[in-house]
Amino acid sequence: DARVTQTPRHKVTEMGQEVTMRCQPILGHNTVFWYRQTMMQGLELLAYFRNRAPLDDSGMPKDRFSAEMPDATLATLKIQPSEPRDSAVYFCASGPYPGLAGGRSSYNEQFFGPGTRLTVL
Amino acid sequence: GDSVTQMEGPVTLSEEAFLTINCTYTATGYPSLFWYVQYPGEGLQLLLKATKADDKGSNKGFEATYRKETTSFHLEKGSVQVSDSAVYFCALSPLLNYGGATNKLIFGTGTLLAVQP
Repeated sequence: DARVTQTPRHKVTEMGQEVTMRCQPILGHNTVFWYRQTMMQGLELLAYFRNRAPLDDSGMPKDRFSAEMPDATLATLKIQPSEPRDSAVYFCASGPYPGLAGGRSSYNEQFFGPGTRLTVL
Repeated sequence: GDSVTQMEGPVTLSEEAFLTINCTYTATGYPSLFWYVQYPGEGLQLLLKATKADDKGSNKGFEATYRKETTSFHLEKGSVQVSDSAVYFCALSPLLNYGGATNKLIFGTGTLLAVQP
Protein backbone atom coordinates (compact mmCIF):
# COMPACT_ATOMS: atom_id res chain seq x y z
CA ASP A 1 0.00 0.00 0.00
CA ALA A 2 1.88 3.06 -1.28
CA ARG A 3 1.79 6.06 1.03
CA VAL A 4 3.36 9.46 1.41
CA THR A 5 5.59 9.50 4.47
CA GLN A 6 6.61 12.52 6.51
CA THR A 7 9.18 12.96 9.22
CA PRO A 8 9.19 13.97 11.96
CA ARG A 9 5.56 13.55 12.97
CA HIS A 10 5.94 16.00 15.82
CA LYS A 11 8.52 18.72 16.39
CA VAL A 12 8.82 21.13 19.29
CA THR A 13 11.47 23.79 18.99
CA GLU A 14 12.37 27.21 20.28
CA MET A 15 12.03 30.44 18.39
CA GLY A 16 15.01 31.14 16.18
CA GLN A 17 15.92 27.50 15.60
CA GLU A 18 16.08 25.89 12.18
CA VAL A 19 13.41 23.31 11.38
CA THR A 20 13.59 20.79 8.55
CA MET A 21 10.62 18.66 7.57
CA ARG A 22 10.97 15.76 5.16
CA CYS A 23 8.59 14.05 2.81
CA GLN A 24 8.90 10.91 0.73
CA PRO A 25 6.36 11.01 -2.11
CA ILE A 26 4.77 7.90 -3.52
CA LEU A 27 7.14 6.20 -5.95
CA GLY A 28 6.35 7.28 -9.49
CA HIS A 29 4.53 10.47 -8.54
CA ASN A 30 6.13 13.51 -10.13
CA THR A 31 4.24 16.31 -8.40
CA VAL A 32 4.73 17.27 -4.76
CA PHE A 33 2.83 19.82 -2.71
CA TRP A 34 3.49 21.39 0.69
CA TYR A 35 0.55 22.69 2.73
CA ARG A 36 0.19 24.36 6.09
CA GLN A 37 -2.92 23.91 8.20
CA THR A 38 -3.94 26.13 11.10
CA MET A 39 -7.23 26.77 12.83
CA MET A 40 -7.22 30.40 11.78
CA GLN A 41 -6.11 30.12 8.14
CA GLY A 42 -7.25 26.62 7.28
CA LEU A 43 -5.32 24.76 4.58
CA GLU A 44 -2.79 26.90 2.68
CA LEU A 45 -0.68 25.82 -0.29
CA LEU A 46 2.94 26.75 0.34
CA ALA A 47 4.77 25.21 -2.64
CA TYR A 48 4.24 22.97 -5.64
CA PHE A 49 6.87 20.95 -7.49
CA ARG A 50 6.69 19.04 -10.73
CA ASN A 51 9.55 16.80 -11.81
CA ARG A 52 11.50 18.25 -8.87
CA ALA A 53 11.28 21.80 -10.21
CA PRO A 54 9.38 24.42 -8.21
CA LEU A 55 6.34 25.62 -10.16
CA ASP A 56 4.65 27.75 -7.56
CA ASP A 57 5.92 28.88 -4.19
CA SER A 58 3.92 32.07 -3.99
CA GLY A 59 2.25 30.94 -0.77
CA MET A 60 5.52 30.61 1.06
CA PRO A 61 7.18 33.40 3.10
CA LYS A 62 10.43 33.70 1.18
CA ASP A 63 12.50 35.29 3.88
CA ARG A 64 12.42 32.25 6.17
CA PHE A 65 10.95 29.31 4.28
CA SER A 66 12.60 27.23 1.60
CA ALA A 67 11.48 24.09 -0.20
CA GLU A 68 13.60 21.73 -2.28
CA MET A 69 13.57 18.32 -3.89
CA PRO A 70 17.14 16.98 -3.79
CA ASP A 71 15.96 13.87 -5.62
CA ALA A 72 12.72 12.24 -6.72
CA THR A 73 12.29 10.42 -3.41
CA LEU A 74 12.76 13.34 -1.04
CA ALA A 75 11.18 16.74 -0.59
CA THR A 76 12.22 19.09 2.20
CA LEU A 77 10.66 22.16 3.77
CA LYS A 78 12.95 24.28 5.88
CA ILE A 79 12.19 27.18 8.20
CA GLN A 80 15.08 29.34 9.35
CA PRO A 81 14.67 31.05 11.74
CA SER A 82 11.43 29.64 13.11
CA GLU A 83 8.86 31.83 14.85
CA PRO A 84 5.88 31.01 17.10
CA ARG A 85 3.48 31.96 14.28
CA ASP A 86 4.91 29.05 12.25
CA SER A 87 3.25 26.61 14.65
CA ALA A 88 0.95 24.50 12.49
CA VAL A 89 0.56 21.10 10.89
CA TYR A 90 2.53 20.82 7.67
CA PHE A 91 1.31 18.35 5.07
CA CYS A 92 3.06 16.97 2.07
CA ALA A 93 1.05 15.52 -0.80
CA SER A 94 2.06 13.85 -4.04
CA GLY A 95 0.32 12.93 -7.24
CA PRO A 96 0.84 11.73 -10.80
CA TYR A 97 0.84 14.66 -13.19
CA PRO A 98 -2.13 14.31 -15.54
CA GLY A 99 -0.24 15.73 -18.52
CA LEU A 100 -2.12 17.08 -21.45
CA ALA A 101 -5.08 14.74 -21.13
CA GLY A 102 -7.54 17.53 -20.64
CA GLY A 103 -9.83 18.39 -17.78
CA ARG A 104 -11.39 14.96 -17.55
CA SER A 105 -8.17 13.24 -16.59
CA SER A 106 -8.53 10.62 -13.93
CA TYR A 107 -5.01 11.25 -12.69
CA ASN A 108 -5.42 14.61 -10.99
CA GLU A 109 -5.66 13.41 -7.40
CA GLN A 110 -3.37 14.28 -4.55
CA PHE A 111 -2.32 11.79 -1.86
CA PHE A 112 -1.56 13.29 1.51
CA GLY A 113 0.97 12.32 4.14
CA PRO A 114 0.10 12.23 7.86
CA GLY A 115 1.62 15.64 8.53
CA THR A 116 4.26 17.14 10.79
CA ARG A 117 2.88 18.97 13.82
CA LEU A 118 5.26 21.84 14.52
CA THR A 119 5.24 23.82 17.75
CA VAL A 120 7.55 26.81 18.04
CA LEU A 121 7.88 28.12 21.59
CA GLY B 1 -10.04 33.39 -9.96
CA ASP B 2 -11.20 29.86 -9.24
CA SER B 3 -12.64 29.30 -5.78
CA VAL B 4 -14.63 26.89 -3.64
CA THR B 5 -17.23 27.84 -1.04
CA GLN B 6 -18.57 25.32 1.41
CA MET B 7 -20.95 25.62 4.33
CA GLU B 8 -19.49 26.53 7.65
CA GLY B 9 -19.61 24.07 10.45
CA PRO B 10 -19.74 22.52 12.77
CA VAL B 11 -22.53 20.26 11.61
CA THR B 12 -23.83 18.19 14.49
CA LEU B 13 -26.06 15.20 13.76
CA SER B 14 -27.39 12.18 15.54
CA GLU B 15 -26.41 8.74 14.31
CA GLU B 16 -28.46 7.56 11.28
CA ALA B 17 -29.44 11.13 10.35
CA PHE B 18 -29.24 12.39 6.76
CA LEU B 19 -26.22 14.50 5.90
CA THR B 20 -25.83 17.30 3.39
CA ILE B 21 -22.75 19.51 3.19
CA ASN B 22 -23.11 22.21 0.56
CA CYS B 23 -20.31 23.11 -1.83
CA THR B 24 -20.36 25.57 -4.70
CA TYR B 25 -17.53 26.59 -6.95
CA THR B 26 -16.39 29.31 -9.33
CA ALA B 27 -14.21 28.17 -12.21
CA THR B 28 -13.74 28.36 -15.94
CA GLY B 29 -14.92 25.43 -18.00
CA TYR B 30 -15.21 22.00 -16.45
CA PRO B 31 -12.89 21.55 -13.51
CA SER B 32 -12.64 18.22 -11.71
CA LEU B 33 -14.36 18.24 -8.32
CA PHE B 34 -13.40 16.38 -5.17
CA TRP B 35 -14.39 15.71 -1.60
CA TYR B 36 -11.58 14.97 0.81
CA VAL B 37 -12.02 13.82 4.42
CA GLN B 38 -9.68 14.43 7.33
CA TYR B 39 -10.07 12.27 10.42
CA PRO B 40 -8.63 13.56 13.70
CA GLY B 41 -4.85 13.54 13.73
CA GLU B 42 -4.55 12.40 10.12
CA GLY B 43 -3.90 13.83 6.69
CA LEU B 44 -6.56 14.38 4.07
CA GLN B 45 -7.73 11.44 2.04
CA LEU B 46 -9.79 11.38 -1.09
CA LEU B 47 -13.41 10.46 -0.44
CA LEU B 48 -14.88 10.81 -3.93
CA LYS B 49 -14.54 12.78 -7.13
CA ALA B 50 -16.26 13.68 -10.38
CA THR B 51 -14.59 14.83 -13.56
CA LYS B 52 -17.48 15.99 -15.76
CA ALA B 53 -20.95 17.44 -15.54
CA ASP B 54 -23.68 15.11 -14.21
CA ASP B 55 -21.09 12.62 -12.96
CA LYS B 56 -21.88 11.17 -9.55
CA GLY B 57 -19.00 10.30 -7.26
CA SER B 58 -19.67 7.79 -4.51
CA ASN B 59 -17.75 6.01 -1.79
CA LYS B 60 -18.52 4.58 1.67
CA GLY B 61 -22.18 5.59 1.37
CA PHE B 62 -21.33 9.20 0.49
CA GLU B 63 -22.43 10.70 -2.82
CA ALA B 64 -21.99 13.96 -4.68
CA THR B 65 -23.22 14.97 -8.14
CA TYR B 66 -21.42 17.43 -10.39
CA ARG B 67 -24.04 20.07 -11.24
CA LYS B 68 -22.78 22.47 -13.89
CA GLU B 69 -25.99 24.50 -14.00
CA THR B 70 -25.79 25.35 -10.30
CA THR B 71 -21.97 25.06 -10.03
CA SER B 72 -22.43 22.78 -7.06
CA PHE B 73 -21.06 19.50 -5.71
CA HIS B 74 -23.01 18.87 -2.50
CA LEU B 75 -21.99 15.93 -0.33
CA GLU B 76 -24.74 13.63 0.94
CA LYS B 77 -25.08 10.51 3.00
CA GLY B 78 -28.33 8.81 3.90
CA SER B 79 -27.38 7.57 7.36
CA VAL B 80 -24.32 8.87 9.17
CA GLN B 81 -22.34 6.96 11.76
CA VAL B 82 -20.20 8.14 14.65
CA SER B 83 -17.17 7.00 12.66
CA ASP B 84 -18.01 9.63 9.99
CA SER B 85 -17.05 12.41 12.40
CA ALA B 86 -14.32 14.32 10.60
CA VAL B 87 -13.59 17.48 8.64
CA TYR B 88 -14.78 17.40 5.02
CA PHE B 89 -13.12 19.50 2.32
CA CYS B 90 -14.56 20.30 -1.07
CA ALA B 91 -11.93 20.99 -3.75
CA LEU B 92 -11.55 21.62 -7.45
CA SER B 93 -8.76 21.02 -9.91
CA PRO B 94 -8.88 23.84 -12.45
CA LEU B 95 -8.27 23.55 -16.13
CA LEU B 96 -5.19 25.19 -17.53
CA ASN B 97 -5.49 27.92 -20.14
CA TYR B 98 -4.88 25.54 -23.02
CA GLY B 99 -7.38 23.01 -21.65
CA GLY B 100 -4.84 20.70 -20.11
CA ALA B 101 -5.32 19.21 -16.67
CA THR B 102 -3.44 19.87 -13.48
CA ASN B 103 -3.50 18.24 -10.09
CA LYS B 104 -3.12 21.50 -8.22
CA LEU B 105 -6.18 21.71 -5.97
CA ILE B 106 -8.17 24.65 -4.66
CA PHE B 107 -9.76 23.76 -1.34
CA GLY B 108 -12.73 25.08 0.54
CA THR B 109 -12.36 25.96 4.19
CA GLY B 110 -13.57 22.60 5.47
CA THR B 111 -16.70 21.58 7.37
CA LEU B 112 -16.48 19.80 10.70
CA LEU B 113 -19.03 17.01 11.08
CA ALA B 114 -19.75 15.70 14.57
CA VAL B 115 -22.01 12.66 14.81
CA GLN B 116 -23.42 11.83 18.22
CA PRO B 117 -24.52 8.31 19.24
